Amino acid sequence: GQQLNQSPQSMFIQEGEDVSMNCTSSSIFNTWLWYKQDPGEGPVLLIALYKAGELTSNGRLTAQFGITRKDSFLNISASIPSDVGIYFCAGPESGNTPLVFGKGTRLSVIA
Amino acid sequence: DAGITQSPRHKVTETGTPVTLRCHQTENHRYMYWYRQDPGHGLRLIHYSYGVKDTDKGEVSDGYSVSRSKTEDFLLTLESATSSQTSVYFCAISVQGGNYGYTFGSGTRLTVV
Repeated sequence: GQQLNQSPQSMFIQEGEDVSMNCTSSSIFNTWLWYKQDPGEGPVLLIALYKAGELTSNGRLTAQFGITRKDSFLNISASIPSDVGIYFCAGPESGNTPLVFGKGTRLSVIA
Repeated sequence: DAGITQSPRHKVTETGTPVTLRCHQTENHRYMYWYRQDPGHGLRLIHYSYGVKDTDKGEVSDGYSVSRSKTEDFLLTLESATSSQTSVYFCAISVQGGNYGYTFGSGTRLTVV
């Protein structure tokens, strides 16, 4: 099946810094989703993107649907300790099929 | 979310025993999914269901079976547990399939010894 490649795998940042992470695919995706997983919990949907070039914000989070439709980006501004967790990108391979997930970016915030 | 619950939350079992994990939803969503999460692998699809008695295999379905006899319940069975099935298992639900995202349960941590 299709794989989504996330980078970086992990990052350690100082509180207050901005964060950037990305997700790439070898084939086109028509939907990109970004999830966050807190320790011991299931992932929670942060942002959904449906159109190439689309830029969508959710508070301090901003995600973009790449114009090639093979990548997506997530930015977090002014990080705070509660941003700690694993961030996953995901998308259906085609139509409304089950989601394929990236392996995640683990974010640690140092106060 | 209160609309989806997984049970048990934690389980330790012995190699070779059958194990059943339960996912229960109160949202009346059509689609239900089982994923496993392992370090270095992210979330991988085991089985999914698009309605009562309608199920299909995912990427890592070997050694697992599922049943959905009611809209609200989706059961995952490990027919004969092996150590490689030690993992965290997540159930997810969706109104319209993958395109609009899922709501996940809190997970079941299964250890096979």
